[in-house]
Amino acid sequence: SQQGEEDPQALSIQEGENATMNCSYKTSINNLQWYRQNSGRGLVHLILIRSNEREKHSGRLRVTLDTSKKSSSLLITASRAADTASYFCARISGGGADGLTFGKGTHLIIQP
Amino acid sequence: DAGVIQSPRHEVTEMGQEVTLRCKPISGHNSLFWYRQTMMRGLELLIYFNNNVPIDDSGMPEDRFSAKMPNASFSTLKIQPSEPRDSAVYFCASSLGTSGSVEQFFGPGTRLTVL
Repeated sequence: SQQGEEDPQALSIQEGENATMNCSYKTSINNLQWYRQNSGRGLVHLILIRSNEREKHSGRLRVTLDTSKKSSSLLITASRAADTASYFCARISGGGADGLTFGKGTHLIIQP
Repeated sequence: DAGVIQSPRHEVTEMGQEVTLRCKPISGHNSLFWYRQTMMRGLELLIYFNNNVPIDDSGMPEDRFSAKMPNASFSTLKIQPSEPRDSAVYFCASSLGTSGSVEQFFGPGTRLTVL
Protein backbone atom coordinates (compact mmCIF):
# COMPACT_ATOMS: atom_id res chain seq x y z
CA SER A 1 0.00 0.00 0.00
CA GLN A 2 1.09 3.54 -0.61
CA GLN A 3 2.77 5.13 2.39
CA GLY A 4 3.10 8.57 0.88
CA GLU A 5 0.27 10.61 -0.51
CA GLU A 6 0.69 13.73 -2.55
CA ASP A 7 -1.84 16.45 -2.99
CA PRO A 8 -3.20 17.83 -5.07
CA GLN A 9 -3.45 14.97 -7.53
CA ALA A 10 -3.37 17.47 -10.37
CA LEU A 11 -2.36 21.12 -10.57
CA SER A 12 -2.56 23.51 -13.51
CA ILE A 13 -0.97 26.95 -13.31
CA GLN A 14 0.29 29.68 -15.60
CA GLU A 15 3.92 29.91 -16.57
CA GLY A 16 5.79 32.11 -14.14
CA GLU A 17 3.61 31.25 -11.17
CA ASN A 18 4.77 29.18 -8.22
CA ALA A 19 3.64 25.58 -7.78
CA THR A 20 3.31 23.89 -4.40
CA MET A 21 2.84 20.19 -3.93
CA ASN A 22 2.38 18.43 -0.63
CA CYS A 23 3.24 14.97 0.61
CA SER A 24 2.09 13.16 3.72
CA TYR A 25 3.39 9.91 5.12
CA LYS A 26 2.43 7.59 7.93
CA THR A 27 5.57 6.23 9.57
CA SER A 28 8.80 7.76 10.78
CA ILE A 29 11.49 8.46 8.20
CA ASN A 30 15.22 8.99 7.97
CA ASN A 31 14.85 11.06 4.86
CA LEU A 32 12.37 11.88 2.14
CA GLN A 33 13.09 12.25 -1.54
CA TRP A 34 11.31 14.00 -4.37
CA TYR A 35 11.35 12.73 -7.96
CA ARG A 36 10.04 14.08 -11.25
CA GLN A 37 8.64 11.99 -14.09
CA ASN A 38 8.11 13.42 -17.52
CA SER A 39 5.47 11.72 -19.65
CA GLY A 40 6.67 8.35 -20.89
CA ARG A 41 10.02 8.62 -19.15
CA GLY A 42 11.73 7.28 -16.06
CA LEU A 43 11.94 9.12 -12.77
CA VAL A 44 14.58 11.72 -12.07
CA HIS A 45 15.77 12.50 -8.58
CA LEU A 46 15.24 16.12 -7.55
CA ILE A 47 16.15 16.52 -3.93
CA LEU A 48 16.62 14.59 -0.68
CA ILE A 49 15.82 16.06 2.69
CA ARG A 50 16.92 14.38 5.91
CA SER A 51 14.73 14.06 8.97
CA ASN A 52 16.86 16.57 10.90
CA GLU A 53 16.47 19.20 8.17
CA ARG A 54 13.51 21.55 7.91
CA GLU A 55 14.18 23.14 4.55
CA LYS A 56 16.35 22.55 1.54
CA HIS A 57 16.88 24.44 -1.69
CA SER A 58 18.07 23.43 -5.13
CA GLY A 59 17.81 26.05 -7.84
CA ARG A 60 14.12 26.92 -8.22
CA LEU A 61 13.11 24.08 -5.93
CA ARG A 62 12.43 24.42 -2.25
CA VAL A 63 11.51 21.46 -0.07
CA THR A 64 10.27 21.65 3.49
CA LEU A 65 9.82 18.86 5.99
CA ASP A 66 7.70 18.80 9.12
CA THR A 67 8.30 15.53 10.90
CA SER A 68 5.79 16.36 13.64
CA LYS A 69 3.05 16.53 11.01
CA LYS A 70 4.62 13.81 8.85
CA SER A 71 4.45 16.06 5.84
CA SER A 72 6.65 17.64 3.22
CA SER A 73 6.13 20.19 0.51
CA LEU A 74 7.83 20.90 -2.79
CA LEU A 75 7.74 24.44 -4.11
CA ILE A 76 8.74 25.26 -7.67
CA THR A 77 9.22 28.96 -8.16
CA ALA A 78 8.87 30.84 -11.44
CA SER A 79 7.47 27.79 -13.21
CA ARG A 80 8.32 27.02 -16.82
CA ALA A 81 6.57 24.93 -19.43
CA ALA A 82 9.36 22.37 -19.07
CA ASP A 83 8.31 21.80 -15.45
CA THR A 84 5.20 20.02 -16.71
CA ALA A 85 5.54 16.53 -15.24
CA SER A 86 4.42 14.30 -12.40
CA TYR A 87 6.11 14.79 -9.06
CA PHE A 88 6.47 12.06 -6.44
CA CYS A 89 7.65 11.95 -2.90
CA ALA A 90 9.37 8.79 -1.79
CA ARG A 91 10.62 7.29 1.41
CA ILE A 92 12.43 4.14 2.38
CA SER A 93 10.03 1.22 2.52
CA GLY A 94 10.99 0.42 6.06
CA GLY A 95 12.46 -2.56 7.84
CA GLY A 96 15.93 -1.58 6.75
CA ALA A 97 15.10 -2.10 3.10
CA ASP A 98 16.48 0.40 0.63
CA GLY A 99 13.65 0.24 -1.84
CA LEU A 100 11.54 3.38 -2.03
CA THR A 101 7.82 3.70 -1.35
CA PHE A 102 6.24 6.28 -3.63
CA GLY A 103 3.05 8.26 -3.38
CA LYS A 104 0.71 8.45 -6.36
CA GLY A 105 2.14 11.77 -7.39
CA THR A 106 0.98 15.22 -8.38
CA HIS A 107 0.52 15.87 -12.08
CA LEU A 108 1.64 19.43 -12.74
CA ILE A 109 0.70 21.26 -15.92
CA ILE A 110 2.27 24.61 -16.71
CA GLN A 111 0.19 26.62 -19.15
CA PRO A 112 2.30 28.78 -21.48
CA ASP B 1 27.55 7.58 -18.86
CA ALA B 2 24.64 5.93 -20.65
CA GLY B 3 22.55 5.71 -17.53
CA VAL B 4 20.40 2.72 -16.67
CA ILE B 5 19.54 0.76 -19.80
CA GLN B 6 16.39 -1.29 -20.12
CA SER B 7 15.21 -3.54 -22.91
CA PRO B 8 12.91 -3.93 -24.59
CA ARG B 9 11.25 -0.51 -24.36
CA HIS B 10 7.91 -1.97 -25.39
CA GLU B 11 6.66 -5.51 -25.21
CA VAL B 12 3.32 -6.84 -26.39
CA THR B 13 2.58 -10.46 -25.70
CA GLU B 14 -0.30 -12.82 -25.28
CA MET B 15 -1.56 -14.24 -22.04
CA GLY B 16 0.37 -17.31 -21.00
CA GLN B 17 3.58 -16.35 -22.73
CA GLU B 18 6.88 -15.88 -20.92
CA VAL B 19 8.21 -12.35 -20.73
CA THR B 20 11.78 -11.37 -19.89
CA LEU B 21 12.73 -7.80 -19.10
CA ARG B 22 16.36 -6.77 -19.00
CA CYS B 23 18.32 -4.13 -17.16
CA LYS B 24 21.88 -2.87 -17.20
CA PRO B 25 22.61 -0.67 -14.17
CA ILE B 26 25.03 2.22 -14.12
CA SER B 27 28.58 0.95 -13.92
CA GLY B 28 29.85 0.93 -10.35
CA HIS B 29 26.43 0.97 -8.73
CA ASN B 30 25.94 -1.86 -6.28
CA SER B 31 22.18 -1.72 -5.67
CA LEU B 32 19.54 -2.53 -8.28
CA PHE B 33 15.78 -2.14 -7.96
CA TRP B 34 12.79 -3.30 -9.99
CA TYR B 35 9.59 -1.23 -9.79
CA ARG B 36 6.22 -1.52 -11.48
CA GLN B 37 3.97 1.41 -12.30
CA THR B 38 0.24 1.22 -13.00
CA MET B 39 -2.52 3.78 -12.91
CA MET B 40 -4.32 1.93 -10.17
CA ARG B 41 -1.45 1.14 -7.84
CA GLY B 42 1.16 3.74 -8.75
CA LEU B 43 4.84 2.85 -8.34
CA GLU B 44 5.55 -0.32 -6.43
CA LEU B 45 8.86 -1.86 -5.44
CA LEU B 46 9.06 -5.45 -6.62
CA ILE B 47 12.53 -6.54 -5.58
CA TYR B 48 15.96 -5.17 -4.96
CA PHE B 49 19.50 -6.49 -5.05
CA ASN B 50 22.63 -5.42 -3.28
CA ASN B 51 25.97 -6.67 -4.62
CA ASN B 52 23.99 -9.04 -6.90
CA VAL B 53 22.20 -10.66 -3.95
CA PRO B 54 18.41 -10.35 -3.62
CA ILE B 55 17.69 -8.50 -0.39
CA ASP B 56 13.94 -7.88 -0.39
CA ASP B 57 11.52 -9.60 -2.74
CA SER B 58 8.41 -9.04 -0.65
CA GLY B 59 6.94 -6.89 -3.40
CA MET B 60 7.01 -9.64 -6.01
CA PRO B 61 3.29 -10.25 -6.61
CA GLU B 62 3.38 -14.01 -6.96
CA ASP B 63 5.43 -16.99 -8.03
CA ARG B 64 4.96 -16.15 -11.66
CA PHE B 65 7.50 -13.37 -11.15
CA SER B 66 11.20 -14.06 -10.73
CA ALA B 67 14.30 -11.88 -10.89
CA LYS B 68 17.96 -12.63 -11.21
CA MET B 69 21.18 -10.69 -11.15
CA PRO B 70 23.94 -13.00 -12.39
CA ASN B 71 26.55 -10.24 -12.35
CA ALA B 72 26.99 -6.60 -11.46
CA SER B 73 26.05 -5.37 -14.90
CA PHE B 74 22.90 -7.31 -15.72
CA SER B 75 19.55 -8.20 -14.23
CA THR B 76 16.40 -9.83 -15.56
CA LEU B 77 12.79 -9.82 -14.45
CA LYS B 78 10.80 -12.75 -15.77
CA ILE B 79 7.07 -13.32 -15.80
CA GLN B 80 5.89 -16.82 -16.58
CA PRO B 81 3.10 -17.25 -17.46
CA SER B 82 2.06 -13.66 -18.13
CA GLU B 83 -1.48 -12.41 -17.46
CA PRO B 84 -3.34 -9.27 -18.63
CA ARG B 85 -3.15 -7.80 -15.11
CA ASP B 86 0.65 -7.76 -15.46
CA SER B 87 0.34 -4.97 -18.02
CA ALA B 88 2.30 -2.04 -16.63
CA VAL B 89 5.50 -0.06 -17.03
CA TYR B 90 8.41 -1.80 -15.37
CA PHE B 91 11.31 0.33 -14.21
CA CYS B 92 14.79 -0.66 -13.22
CA ALA B 93 16.83 1.67 -11.03
CA SER B 94 20.30 1.56 -9.58
CA SER B 95 22.17 3.37 -6.85
CA LEU B 96 25.57 3.50 -5.24
CA GLY B 97 25.56 2.46 -1.62
CA THR B 98 23.28 0.50 0.63
CA SER B 99 21.55 3.33 2.38
CA GLY B 100 18.23 4.85 1.50
CA SER B 101 19.95 8.19 1.76
CA VAL B 102 21.19 8.06 -1.79
CA GLU B 103 19.35 8.87 -4.97
CA GLN B 104 18.22 6.17 -7.32
CA PHE B 105 18.78 6.46 -11.05
CA PHE B 106 15.91 5.14 -13.13
CA GLY B 107 15.91 3.62 -16.56
CA PRO B 108 13.37 4.63 -19.22
CA GLY B 109 11.13 1.68 -18.41
CA THR B 110 9.62 -1.22 -20.33
CA ARG B 111 5.96 -0.84 -21.24
CA LEU B 112 4.43 -4.32 -21.09
CA THR B 113 1.08 -5.12 -22.60
CA VAL B 114 -0.35 -8.59 -22.08
CA LEU B 115 -3.33 -9.33 -24.32
